[in-house]
Amino acid sequence: DAMVIQNPRYQVTQFGKPVTLSCSQTLNHNVMYWYQQKSSQAPKLLFHYYDKDFNNEADTPDNFQSRRPNTSFCFLDIRSPGLGDAAMYLCATSRHPQGQGLNEQFFGPGTRLTVL
Amino acid sequence: SQQGEEDPQALSIQEGENATMNCSYKTSINNLQWYRQNSGRGLVHLILIRSNEREKHSGRLRVTLDTSKKSSSLLITASRAADTASYFCATDATGGSYIPTFGRGTSLIVHP
Repeated sequence: DAMVIQNPRYQVTQFGKPVTLSCSQTLNHNVMYWYQQKSSQAPKLLFHYYDKDFNNEADTPDNFQSRRPNTSFCFLDIRSPGLGDAAMYLCATSRHPQGQGLNEQFFGPGTRLTVL
Repeated sequence: SQQGEEDPQALSIQEGENATMNCSYKTSINNLQWYRQNSGRGLVHLILIRSNEREKHSGRLRVTLDTSKKSSSLLITASRAADTASYFCATDATGGSYIPTFGRGTSLIVHP
């Protein structure tokens, strides 16, 4: 089945120790998103890609970086995790809007990040 | 501030009852989407309604959109315990940025 896969599902890191979360998709969608979601809050968009075109949200901390080496894979790098970065990180994909507004987003199961 | 705001924040009902959740937003939109999230999981798309549509149905789900009031509602009929989840609306504002903005969500508990 076509899907969005996130690895790992649970990640524990130490304060200040870099961590990388990964996302892969078999849907061949050209748009990929990374969200941060804290408990009982809305998903907050960190960045998104239209193909290789990277779009950073204005309030995304510099501590967060992303890479998209090809259509299928996207990575979220947290260079120096702080306690406030503990959250669920969600990856999503969609087809390009093509002038009609956003299409349905397909989400992965998320990676729960714990910072000790 | 967030584009979409759902209310109520929490809703507790008995199985078989209908559940209604509302979403209000601030600026003109291209479309509005509703998503469901089970505890600790990713979001699942339920319905997309475009700005020129007023109502859509999918199984036990009914979504309405009132662009003059900048609001939408999600109705789940004959609810089941398995409908227990958080429900989010997401909008993308007109202007070509295609940035999805999620509301805070409504937490629905359906008691068996």
